[in-house]
Amino acid sequence: VQLVESGGGLVQPGGSLRLSCAASGFTVSANYMTWVRQAPGKGLEWVSLIYTGGTTYYADSVKGRFTISRDNSKNTVYLQMNGLRAEDTAVYYCARGDTSGLVYLDYWGQGTLVTVSS
Amino acid sequence: QSVLTQPPSVSGAPGQRVTISCTGSSSNIGAGYDVHWYQQLPGTAPKLLIYANNNRPSGVPDRFSGSESGTSASLAITGLQAEDEADYYCQSYDSSLSAYVFGTGTKVTVL
Repeated sequence: VQLVESGGGLVQPGGSLRLSCAASGFTVSANYMTWVRQAPGKGLEWVSLIYTGGTTYYADSVKGRFTISRDNSKNTVYLQMNGLRAEDTAVYYCARGDTSGLVYLDYWGQGTLVTVSS
Repeated sequence: QSVLTQPPSVSGAPGQRVTISCTGSSSNIGAGYDVHWYQQLPGTAPKLLIYANNNRPSGVPDRFSGSESGTSASLAITGLQAEDEADYYCQSYDSSLSAYVFGTGTKVTVL
């Protein structure tokens, strides 16, 4: 199992970025896929989740601005981020979810840094 | 500000036992939602350490164990080793917020 994120970088406030998470060793459509972020020197924040059936979840802090999606043919998950703010600056991790009744994250990517600054 | 509160730091000498608490409320841990734990070594991505309160994924040493009681959960590390120096996070779900939540995080220092 491997997850490789890409697409991070420097963007101005109000701008957009699309993060990608290429998966190998398993099928993204058969698993819960999530994005978790970590601001510099801070803790973890659950950003978004796409369930196997396609239902999505977003943290209140990004609702209406971020969109999670997946491309089954490419076995890749995306996070489209619009209306970026300084407080969105963080390392964004892609993670695979499994469930015991509550989703837990059993494999993580290495992360991609998003910096929102003018 | 997370609804799951952890001590900012704990420390212990090699070989000692340390515990990390994760204090919640009746809308998360107290409501019966599972608690999962992650270890984040310096400069790396988090790694699953314990799932569903006290289950270890393959490859995680049995020095790590989890427990849950009422509105709190705990992670115990026995036989503390230098390689255990890391940040540790609990994770659950909060029904009042309708949100997946992580704890505030605890830095473990090996003296």
